[in-house]
Amino acid sequence: RKEVEQDPGPFNVPEGATVAFNCTYSNSASQSFFWYRQDCRKEPKLLMSVYSSGNEDGRFTAQLNRASQYISLLIRDSKLSDSATYLCAVNIRAAGNKLTFGGGTRVLVKP
Amino acid sequence: DADVTQTPRNRITKTGKRIMLECSQTKGHDRMYWYRQDPGLGLRLIYYSFDVKDINKGEISDGYSVSRQAQAKFSLSLESAIPNQTALYFCATSDPGQTYGYTFGSGTRLTVV
Repeated sequence: RKEVEQDPGPFNVPEGATVAFNCTYSNSASQSFFWYRQDCRKEPKLLMSVYSSGNEDGRFTAQLNRASQYISLLIRDSKLSDSATYLCAVNIRAAGNKLTFGGGTRVLVKP
Repeated sequence: DADVTQTPRNRITKTGKRIMLECSQTKGHDRMYWYRQDPGLGLRLIYYSFDVKDINKGEISDGYSVSRQAQAKFSLSLESAIPNQTALYFCATSDPGQTYGYTFGSGTRLTVV
C-alpha cells in the first residue's frame, strides 16, 4: 500500500459546482498536511496547509480526519481556472521530516 | 527572479552521457530536495540535503548523484544517462519546520534518447 494515496480522477465538474476529493495516508504518525496545485507540466504550488481544526481559503476548504487518516479538499463555485491536478503532501517528522506526495487528483472544470 | 531557479529548463541528451541539472535558491532555506515526476507515478524523491554537509538518498537514488556546493546550490547529476531517466525533474526547498511546505523550482524536462 502506498503511503499517500489519491484518486487520480479526472473529476469532471460543471462550472459553478462543488467538488470534493480525499487523500488517505497510511502512517498515523503523520504530522503536517498540505494541498498543492499543479498545472500541466508546471511546478506544484502550495495551495493551502491543512490544520487539525480545518481551514478555509476563499472557495477552498481543507479538512483533516485523523481517526480515518485522510485529508480532504473541497472546492466551491468551481471556476474554469480551477482545472488542475491537486497533490496532497504529508510530513512524517519521525521519518526524516520530509514530505511524501500523493499521485494527484485531476480536476477538469467544464463550461 | 524566482525563489528557486532550475537550469536548464529543457534538455535532450544521448544515452551514456553525463548530465548535470542545477538548482539555486534565494529563500535562505537549509533544506533542498530533488524529485522526479513521471506520469502516473507522482513525485518521487531522489536525494535531499538538510544542510551543506548533509546528503541523503531518497527512494530512487540509483543512477543519480548530487552535490551541495553551498547553502543556495544543489546539483543533480546523471552519471550515464539512460532512456528511463526521461522525466520532469523538480528541485525544492523548505525551512526546517516546513511551516509552509516546499517551494519548487519550475522544473527541468529531460529527455534521454
